[in-house]
Amino acid sequence: DIQMTQSPSSLSASVGDRVTITCRAGQSIVSYLTWYQQKPGKAPKLLIYDASRLQSGVPSRFSGSGSGTDFTLTISSLQPEDFATYYCQQSHSTPLTFGGGTKVEIK
Amino acid sequence: QLLLQESGSGLVKPSQTLSLTCAVSGGSIISGAYSWSWVRQPPGKGLEWIGYIYDSGSTYYSPSLKSRVTISIDRSRNQFSLKLGSVTAADTAVYYCARNYVDYFDYWGQGTLVTVSS
Repeated sequence: DIQMTQSPSSLSASVGDRVTITCRAGQSIVSYLTWYQQKPGKAPKLLIYDASRLQSGVPSRFSGSGSGTDFTLTISSLQPEDFATYYCQQSHSTPLTFGGGTKVEIK
Repeated sequence: QLLLQESGSGLVKPSQTLSLTCAVSGGSIISGAYSWSWVRQPPGKGLEWIGYIYDSGSTYYSPSLKSRVTISIDRSRNQFSLKLGSVTAADTAVYYCARNYVDYFDYWGQGTLVTVSS
């Protein structure tokens, strides 16, 4: 199984802040990396796939980068609706695996 | 707009079998481009992929659950199902069904909580 490690596990930030979340894979996954946003009591929502491709309808303040083993999700200017938990997921090989999540909280 | 809706028993006794169904509406489950997954999330914890099925009936399961899992598809009813046997308290979770496109999940059901308890 490919282990996915996210950091930090949680962070506090203010509206307007630039936020960066990191995901590291246990082996190269090329660019087969997806990011999701999950709010309490809701299903995850697809944000970014193939490491850097923005899903239709997702605000452009979200961006993704990286390849190989190291990936980053950036929120350029945090908005009130962005407070949530973010997960990365590798789709390089089965079993599909997720990172442990990063909870973004209000400072 | 594609909609996925989970249904099934919310309470299962230990050692018994968990059974859930995902009804797909707004699109056909018959598509070579997609597969159909189950993902679970224990309360307060992260996401775990259980397995997926293609409309051909081919399945892929997580090795950690493979011995206890069966995913099946009913093309006539546009739905797919999950059976997880020999459940324990560790299987208590919100269970989501989801559509896979190239192994990422682009549509999700709302999720259903399954509690394993006597």
